[in-house]
Amino acid sequence: AQSVTQLGSHVSVSEGALVLLRCNYSSSVPPYLFWYVQYPNQGLQLLLKYTTGATLVKGINGFEAEFKKSETSFHLTKPSAHMSDAAEYFCAVGNTDKLIFGTGTRLQVFP
Amino acid sequence: SAVISQKPSRDICQRGTSLTIQCQVDSQVTMMFWYRQQPGQSLTLIATANQGSEATYESGFVIDKFPISRPNLTFSTLTVSNMSPEDSSIYLCSVFTGAGANVLTFGAGSRLTVL
Repeated sequence: AQSVTQLGSHVSVSEGALVLLRCNYSSSVPPYLFWYVQYPNQGLQLLLKYTTGATLVKGINGFEAEFKKSETSFHLTKPSAHMSDAAEYFCAVGNTDKLIFGTGTRLQVFP
Repeated sequence: SAVISQKPSRDICQRGTSLTIQCQVDSQVTMMFWYRQQPGQSLTLIATANQGSEATYESGFVIDKFPISRPNLTFSTLTVSNMSPEDSSIYLCSVFTGAGANVLTFGAGSRLTVL
């Protein structure tokens, strides 16, 4: 069975500050890991993914995430937050059979 | 990546009625997935629809409440039966796309409000 936990349902940062959104997973097999973003009143958009290979993956809009097997984590970071980053972020774990989503983290960015 | 079209995009329904949501993909896919996103919450997988076999339902979801059809490799329907206000949600169709078919792509969703 697979599961994913996102720590912190709400994260607030100032514009220009570091963004760190936490995700831990549980999987009995090598996982595929994903971050999706959902802007207000919009659909889900893939930010980045890890399947195999390099453990540091870069996504769109300056986001990146690092797969740490020993910590069963896949935290999402961005060095400098922008107002346009305000959205709901979902971590997901799975394989080509299905994806299981975390409960989401709402990111607020203050000027 | 695949283009996924859902109909209706939104609807307002009366308690006790049923509504069928359609999902059309512009390429052939083996599996189609139906998710629900209740207001302010995350996505919950309802079922996986495979062409030629019965859908596989996740814990907490049953065929009588959410019957699914999968007549071919590009189309699926999800029916929400005997609706109650608790069924007010966004229902999303999704498929795996991309190189390696390991990226889940979503339709725009069907927003249902049950009065």
